Amino acid sequence: DTGVSQNPRHKITKRGQNVTFRCDPISEHNRLYWYRQTLGQGPEFLTYFQNEAQLEKSRLLSDRFSAERPKGSFSTLEIQRTEQGDSAMYLCASSLAGGLVSDEQFFGPGTRLTVL
Amino acid sequence: AQKITQTQPGMFVQEKEAVTLDCTYDTSDQSYGLFWYKQPSSGEMIFLIYQGSYDEQNATEGRYSLNFQKARKSANLVISASQLGDSAMYFCAGYNTNAGKSTFGDGTTLTVKP
Repeated sequence: DTGVSQNPRHKITKRGQNVTFRCDPISEHNRLYWYRQTLGQGPEFLTYFQNEAQLEKSRLLSDRFSAERPKGSFSTLEIQRTEQGDSAMYLCASSLAGGLVSDEQFFGPGTRLTVL
Repeated sequence: AQKITQTQPGMFVQEKEAVTLDCTYDTSDQSYGLFWYKQPSSGEMIFLIYQGSYDEQNATEGRYSLNFQKARKSANLVISASQLGDSAMYFCAGYNTNAGKSTFGDGTTLTVKP
């Protein structure tokens, strides 16, 4: 078990560019979550998948944000036309629904996005 | 919708003493869970402890215990015998078992003094 991995760990981009982040969950986990965390704040929920189905999206997820989880394995989060306000840490977590601890989420190391 | 409130932006504790980190929640859900996570300066989120809304006993995990008072809607984390390595940001999170999403508080920064 290698845990949740995220790539890249850091991304610097210019305003207006598109960026894509990848998350590889723990292999047997059927739920995958995306959060955004800004300095001094707790993580804010963005969206989550159960297998390949995207079950909930936050109002924070504007039409510039899109997430996919093809085949219920890894997930990608794309931000189009990035803005400086998108600068944050993007965290991915996975869990096993129906596991011993109800939906204990294991977090990845995060992708830190800086928009110049 | 859930709301999680952590009223202590920062806390200090002497090494080997116990400390309580406060968390109150507001939810209309009947079935929910409450988590505590630790986030050291390195940034990773580490699961500490979980309490389900129907659990009658307070959760304990080693030096961590959760003081769950359902009527008061509080889920305070108690860390016994603090260690220098406990210095970190601590987040309380509420989980809606039906909707599958978690809501986090703004966190408490704990500093353990030698």
